Amino acid sequence: QVQLQESGPGLVRPSETLSLTCAVSGYFIGSGFYWGWIRQPPGKGLEWIGSIFHSGYTHHNSSLKSRVTISVDTSKNQISLKLNHVTAADTAVYYCARLVTLTRGVYHWYFDLWGRGTLVTVSS
Amino acid sequence: QSALTQPPSASGSPGQSVTISCTGTSSDVGAYDYVSWYQYHPGKAPKVIIYDVNKRPSGVPDRFSGSKSDNTASLTVSGLQAEDEADYYCSSYAGSNSLMFGGGTKVTVL
Repeated sequence: QVQLQESGPGLVRPSETLSLTCAVSGYFIGSGFYWGWIRQPPGKGLEWIGSIFHSGYTHHNSSLKSRVTISVDTSKNQISLKLNHVTAADTAVYYCARLVTLTRGVYHWYFDLWGRGTLVTVSS
Repeated sequence: QSALTQPPSASGSPGQSVTISCTGTSSDVGAYDYVSWYQYHPGKAPKVIIYDVNKRPSGVPDRFSGSKSDNTASLTVSGLQAEDEADYYCSSYAGSNSLMFGGGTKVTVL
């Protein structure tokens, strides 16, 4: 059974860097798939942050691109998110998820597995 | 990138049907058949219930169905059950390896 578990500080000060990791169990991330980060600010909808292939190839939401770094560590079987220069607007529940883009030669674009998310509050 | 537009709430009695819309543009929903829907119960991980507009993952009841017309996708839940009370989010591929989500719809089973 594949499971994803987000972790990281629950409180980050404004202007600092938010750092989260997503530990994947039950599946070796080096075997394939894109892995993504999604967030949900309080009372708002979901927002795609970015995705990374197991090889390290990344895509980012253009509205966040300059502040976002997504990386993969196959030795630890985890992906990471760094968001710098945070403000209160970055307060959200952050989710990691597995992105299905290609199966048996057919293209898709959906997240088939999600973590439960972790709340990050930006406040002084 | 603006979020896809969903109604904030929808409701129905047990056994009835409820349909949720998800409106995008000709650059996302209208351009690709890569619309997905997610069910979210607070405290749990979101769960995909529809992908590729109208396909159901294994284990998802056939009470859930999806469709698309032009720039609007729809999720229909037929035969509403108490456990269907949840938040539902749509998502669409938006080109250039990017994705968009909707604002979410809270479904209440009366």
